[in-house]
Amino acid sequence: NAGVTQTPKFRILKIGQSMTLQCTQDMNHNYMYWYRQDPGMGLKLIYYSVGAGITDKGEVPNGYNVSRSTTEDFPLRLELAAPSQTSVYFCASSSGGMNTEAFFGQGTRLTVV
Amino acid sequence: GENVEQHPSTLSVQEGDSAVIKCTYSDSASNYFPWYKQELGKGPQLIIDIRSNVGEKKDQRIAVTLNKTAKHFSLHITETQPEDSAVYFCAAKGGSTLGRLYFGRGTQLTVWP
Repeated sequence: NAGVTQTPKFRILKIGQSMTLQCTQDMNHNYMYWYRQDPGMGLKLIYYSVGAGITDKGEVPNGYNVSRSTTEDFPLRLELAAPSQTSVYFCASSSGGMNTEAFFGQGTRLTVV
Repeated sequence: GENVEQHPSTLSVQEGDSAVIKCTYSDSASNYFPWYKQELGKGPQLIIDIRSNVGEKKDQRIAVTLNKTAKHFSLHITETQPEDSAVYFCAAKGGSTLGRLYFGRGTQLTVWP
């Protein structure tokens, strides 16, 4: 019963490098989300998707890109990493609709130096 | 978009005492209000939720109240235990936001034995 799986758990990037944060879910959820969590700031939505092939920007999309080619996977791409992208990233999924629980992955702690 | 305010940011209580965390929201169309608990190094996990057609919901030592007129909702934890120590997030989801959750900034709850 895996739920939402994120890889890697930790990563250190140099300024200007690129990387992809992986997220996969096995609950057949249509909705998937990427959040970033900064100390004392709660969770900010980066991008979300309501189904395969459909993505949209959240509150803080700059510097990130996503794709959703399958229901299961929702990778987050960082191009030209900057220190401001140092954060903990969470992927989440839900079955959609108005009042449904969001399930979160364990998070990826990213440091850009 | 929705704006969720959460107070206090930190809360310390003695084991056995009650803890109350309060949130306000701005979008009157919001109709689903979950509470998440995040333990150190883990992703947030749903502990209780309430829908807009309900004023109060209880699950063992945890209860949530909702005042739609005033646009605020609260989490109540009774008979607190050291394992209740964690960061708690409130969130709101609106009818027009396609499943997007807006989070408060979180409350660090510490329960002293």
